[in-house]
Amino acid sequence: AQRVTQPEKLLSVFKGAPVELKCNYSYSGSPELFWYVQYSRQRLQLLLRHISRESIKGFTADLNKGETSFHLKKPFAQEEDSAMYYCAGAVRFSSGSARQLTFGSGTQLTVLP
Amino acid sequence: NAGVMQNPRHLVRRRGQEARLRCSPMKGHSHVYWYRQLPEEGLKFMVYLQKENIIDESGMPKERFSAEFPKEGPSILRIQQVVRGDSAAYFCASSPNSIGAAAGPDTGELFFGEGSRLTVL
Repeated sequence: AQRVTQPEKLLSVFKGAPVELKCNYSYSGSPELFWYVQYSRQRLQLLLRHISRESIKGFTADLNKGETSFHLKKPFAQEEDSAMYYCAGAVRFSSGSARQLTFGSGTQLTVLP
Repeated sequence: NAGVMQNPRHLVRRRGQEARLRCSPMKGHSHVYWYRQLPEEGLKFMVYLQKENIIDESGMPKERFSAEFPKEGPSILRIQQVVRGDSAAYFCASSPNSIGAAAGPDTGELFFGEGSRLTVL
């Protein structure tokens, strides 16, 4: 069965410090991996996808197939990064046209001033 | 585009009553997904629907839960004879049409509503 694990429920760092939010996955085949973020009083939204290899708001995430990890990193955390972060893996439904996302339990990041 | 709209935002029910949660997808989106988030847990997939069709309901409990997405109107998640364990946040998400459709590139992104929080007394 697909599984996404985020080992840290809470993570606090000081402003300007590096931050890494851990995510490990267990999938058969090659999943697509995502990071979603939920800021206070806002809806859950996509942060970045492993396929696009992009940097969004200074965050990057590299897929490590050997370690089955997709950790989210940012070299210098900002107070506005404080939010709930969810790692998610996706496989396509058998119909082929959409994906089923499996979410981790989330990590609440707090960036202290 | 108002985004995915869910209502009610909060719903309180007594054990044994029925709960109905509604979701209107983003304009132009034909795929709707329901997720449930229990306290201290991540979002769990429940069901995936297209207009008038349930495509995958592998995450739905076999009893008391049902979902529909009629030709006209919002998608509805219905929970009959609610129990305390049904207390959770229920999120709806939508996505555009499938690969190759005029809606744009297939990014895999889901667009979420703000959720409906069900409390069963």
